[in-house]
Amino acid sequence: DTEVTQTPKHLVMGMTNKKSLKCEQHMGHRAMYWYKQKAKKPPELMFVYSYEKLSINESVPSRFSPECPNSSLLNLHLHALQPEDSALYLCASSQETWGNTIYFGEGSWLTVV
Amino acid sequence: QKEVEQDPGPLSVPEGAIVSLNCTYSNSAFQYFMWYRQYSRKGPELLMYTYSSGNKEDGRFTAQVDKSSKYISLFIRDSQPSDSATYLCAMSDNTNAGKSTFGDGTTLTVKP
Repeated sequence: DTEVTQTPKHLVMGMTNKKSLKCEQHMGHRAMYWYKQKAKKPPELMFVYSYEKLSINESVPSRFSPECPNSSLLNLHLHALQPEDSALYLCASSQETWGNTIYFGEGSWLTVV
Repeated sequence: QKEVEQDPGPLSVPEGAIVSLNCTYSNSAFQYFMWYRQYSRKGPELLMYTYSSGNKEDGRFTAQVDKSSKYISLFIRDSQPSDSATYLCAMSDNTNAGKSTFGDGTTLTVKP
């Protein structure tokens, strides 16, 4: 079983809603990530947090807003999304940002209607 | 041309067969090579991790890395229906693990 826990597993939201995805890891990892995965495609990196600071934003639209309240938690705040944002959102973590493998959570399935 | 090319599949084999999954890459800076297994509607699960060239074995799974040819493989022996999934290769250099470059995945079906 993965040690990266994501909630909710499924989320349906309207284009005017505000919602959040949550992620938690208890492996003591100092790097955490958000990925987006569309059907039959590999995961695409969105954000990287290292030691609770945002280190990489892969030119993600501002309607996605990440937050790292502490070293174990990572949130993704969603606002004014578009139907094309419907996807599997994956949280992941690694010991550090360099030279380490990343461990994924089970993902949150997001549908924007 | 993509940095990582993965045999597209889909691949269908009978139970008990040996499966070979392959990726090629063009970036000489890649040093870390991973294989992930992803079941339908689930997150990717790390299967194998190899640093630099060589072989690594874990139960029925063997990962091979040939840096001179820029080629990596995952072998599955005695394949089982539970191995039916999409397999993703991933690679990274020594800068940011999260910026791993993924192959597009190969979908494997093992038929009983």
